[in-house]
Amino acid sequence: NAGVTQTPKFQVLKTGQSMTLQCAQDMNHEYMSWYRQDPGMGLRLIHYSVGAGITDQGEVPNGYNVSRSTTEDFPLRLLSAAPSQTSVYFCASSFRQGYGYTFGSGTRLTVV
Amino acid sequence: AQKITQTQPGMFVQEKEAVTLDCTYDTSDPSYGLFWYKQPSSGEMIFLIYQGSYDQQNATEGRYSLNFQKARKSANLVISASQLGDSAMYFCAMREGYGGATNKLIFGTGTLLAVQP
Repeated sequence: NAGVTQTPKFQVLKTGQSMTLQCAQDMNHEYMSWYRQDPGMGLRLIHYSVGAGITDQGEVPNGYNVSRSTTEDFPLRLLSAAPSQTSVYFCASSFRQGYGYTFGSGTRLTVV
Repeated sequence: AQKITQTQPGMFVQEKEAVTLDCTYDTSDPSYGLFWYKQPSSGEMIFLIYQGSYDQQNATEGRYSLNFQKARKSANLVISASQLGDSAMYFCAMREGYGGATNKLIFGTGTLLAVQP
């Protein structure tokens, strides 16, 4: 099993550019989420989904869009990148009735 | 609103000694779960241990144990016999409810542990 796969691992964007961070899981997890990690602030929830077709905002959703058309995939879109979005992004998934969360290896994004 | 507080930004411990990493939480939900994750310098998030709010005993996983004091709303991680490989950032996290509508995981700001030889 691949677990949670995030691509790309590294990305540099110019201010104003858009891009999509990919997240895929092969464990049939209902729940998927996106976090950003900034120094001194831990991991903060951006968006989450409890199943295909259902998404909701987390703590820091501004500037990001998500969709969940399949159980496996949960892409995160940056609409117009800003330097404040420079961060490490993690995707995580879990069964709804379980307690184990599986994290991807992260995407390090730099916006210049 | 739920909140996780880790008051130790950094800690040192001698190899082979035990260390306690502090975590306090705040929630009004009687049903919740508490987690500890390890993040080494390579960046991945590694699950260490879980404690449910209704669990009667403190959780243990090998050298890791969770000192769960429900009345004080604390969930400290104890690492026994520290090893050099334990040097990492440690995060405490909480999920409100069980199998609920959101399953959201909320994190503390982390504690950077350095194990000295």
